[in-house]
Amino acid sequence: DAGVTQSPTHLIKTRGQQVTLRCSPKSGHDTVSWYQQALGQGPQFIFQYYEEEERQRGNFPDRFSGHQFPNYSSELNVNALLLGDSALYLCASSLGPSSTDTQYFGPGTRLTVL
Amino acid sequence: DAKTTQPTSMDCAEGRAANLPCNHSTISGNEYVYWYRQIHSQGPQYIIHGLKNNETNEMASLIITEDRKSSTLILPHATLRDTAVYYCIAPRGSNYKLTFGKGTLLTVNP
Repeated sequence: DAGVTQSPTHLIKTRGQQVTLRCSPKSGHDTVSWYQQALGQGPQFIFQYYEEEERQRGNFPDRFSGHQFPNYSSELNVNALLLGDSALYLCASSLGPSSTDTQYFGPGTRLTVL
Repeated sequence: DAKTTQPTSMDCAEGRAANLPCNHSTISGNEYVYWYRQIHSQGPQYIIHGLKNNETNEMASLIITEDRKSSTLILPHATLRDTAVYYCIAPRGSNYKLTFGKGTLLTVNP
């Protein structure tokens, strides 16, 4: 049973560029959450997608947007990249959108903004 | 999420039990306690969760006090590969997100 997968593994961009990160949920899961983890910090919640809609959003600007596809996979888009966007981006999937539905994390995408 | 308090760091000898405490005195009656760990630069790994009763799985045991104000994660025979940051989280029932604090850095020594 494949777990949560993310692509790419690493990415280097320059300030002002746009980036798209991808996530495939664990088999049978229909909910995807995205987190940002800066160096030395715990993961911070960006948003969650369920039934192809954004269900809740953390304290992130509109430059961060996402999408969920009918097969439950998801994309995270970041526009107008800033140096401070350099971080490990984590995707987590769960059976449902409730906080009591256990979230399983992927390995992450390491984004470096130069 | 209910506020959780964990020690910043702990050490454990290889082969011994590691007992990681977490205080969650503001937890509500229907809120679960989740434990995750994160090995350097990897995604967080789910370990175990519980509501009232003690729980055990192939990775660890979770002991929750009767008043539910604190819990202890037990790794019965710690190995070097258990060195990681361990997070205790008590998400609100209506809240979809996990709020990670600073966690406990567990270092297992040979």
